[in-house]
Amino acid sequence: NAGVTQTPKFQVLKTGQSMTLQCAQDMNHEYMSWYRQDPGMGLRLIHYSVGAGITDQGEVPNGYNVSRSTTEDFPLRLLSAAPSQTSVYFCASSYERGVNNEQFFGPGTRLTVL
Amino acid sequence: DAKTTQPTSMDCAEGRAANLPCNHSTISGNEYVYWYRQIHSQGPQYIIHGLKNNETNEMASLIITEDRKSSTLILPHATLRDTAVYYCIVRVGGWVAGGTSYGKLTFGQGTILTVHP
Repeated sequence: NAGVTQTPKFQVLKTGQSMTLQCAQDMNHEYMSWYRQDPGMGLRLIHYSVGAGITDQGEVPNGYNVSRSTTEDFPLRLLSAAPSQTSVYFCASSYERGVNNEQFFGPGTRLTVL
Repeated sequence: DAKTTQPTSMDCAEGRAANLPCNHSTISGNEYVYWYRQIHSQGPQYIIHGLKNNETNEMASLIITEDRKSSTLILPHATLRDTAVYYCIVRVGGWVAGGTSYGKLTFGQGTILTVHP
């Protein structure tokens, strides 16, 4: 298993540009989520999905869109990039609906918005 | 989810046990204690979790006090590769229907553990 993969690893955007961060998992996990981590801070939840066709907002959803057309993929779209969105973005997934919902994280995408 | 308090930083000598404390005095009866760590520039990694009994796996041990208001993560023989930020997270186990708590992990500042030779 490749686990959780994210592309690209690094990205530089200009203010106002749009782009999509890709996230994929090959573990047949139902739950997927996106976090952002600003320097010296903990992770904050942006959006999450509990299955194909179902998404919902986390604590910092503004400026981001998501969709979940397949179990494997959960892309994050920046509609109009702003310098405040400069951050490291992590995608995570988990399977079990029970207690043991260990979450697996991807390696991250480092985004800079100029 | 209950709030947690962890020391900002700790040091440990290589080969010794690292004991990382966490206070969660407002923990509810259905909330679990989870530990994750984040090695520099990598995604967080799950370590262990528990409800009220002590737990052990191949990575660490988790000791939860009887009143469940605090816990300690123990790395029995710390190595240089254990240098990381360790996060103690308290949340309801599993998924909470109808709310925004689905799988949500609330990361605080964590404890920076430095293992030195």
